[in-house]
Amino acid sequence: DVKVTQSSRYLVKRTGEKVFLECVQDMDHENMFWYRQDPGLGLRLIYFSYDVKMKEKGDIPEGYSVSREKKERFSLILESASTNQTSMYLCASSPLDRSNSPLHFGNGTRLTVT
Amino acid sequence: GESVGLHLPTLSVQEGDNSIINCAYSNSASDYFIWYKQESGKGPQFIIDIRSNMDKRQGQRVTVLLNKTVKHLSLQIAATQPGDSAVYFCAETPNRDDKIIFGKGTRLHILP
Repeated sequence: DVKVTQSSRYLVKRTGEKVFLECVQDMDHENMFWYRQDPGLGLRLIYFSYDVKMKEKGDIPEGYSVSREKKERFSLILESASTNQTSMYLCASSPLDRSNSPLHFGNGTRLTVT
Repeated sequence: GESVGLHLPTLSVQEGDNSIINCAYSNSASDYFIWYKQESGKGPQFIIDIRSNMDKRQGQRVTVLLNKTVKHLSLQIAATQPGDSAVYFCAETPNRDDKIIFGKGTRLHILP
């Protein structure tokens, strides 16, 4: 089975802090994604990557950056955390051909910014 | 813009009955559809998928139906159990290079 592991289940950070959310997948998938999930808004794509060192903006990239130095690892960075970034963050991976394979999700990181 | 939606935000079903969760999509070019289950405190988990060249696919206790004429997708769960209590999302892939579009989810409550 595909395993997508997010390093933290819960995080509490202060406004202005730099925050790193880490994600690792073990299935050699080319694609990796970061979503945030908020009540009433569903899943919104922040960034995705289809290869090492490649990244593409999603629907809501503002205030975030990402890093993909190795194929199995995709990091989400909040350069200066703000309270409106309090959310559930979900990492996912898939093979390159997304038209034939579902995304596999991690269990999420619930981030609270105070 | 295109969106994937669900008809009901919540659905309550008696334990043992069948559940039907519905989803409407707007992009007629979508050719791959997925249902996910998200339990409390966990990430979405893949349940079943279907391609546009099919209208029905069955898994273990689950069936997905696709009606391309009216752009409608449904998930049927047979003999609903307490462990089926979760939020269910549909998702569509407009084409191989396009972003996956998720519905907002239906919360399934199981009544004893």
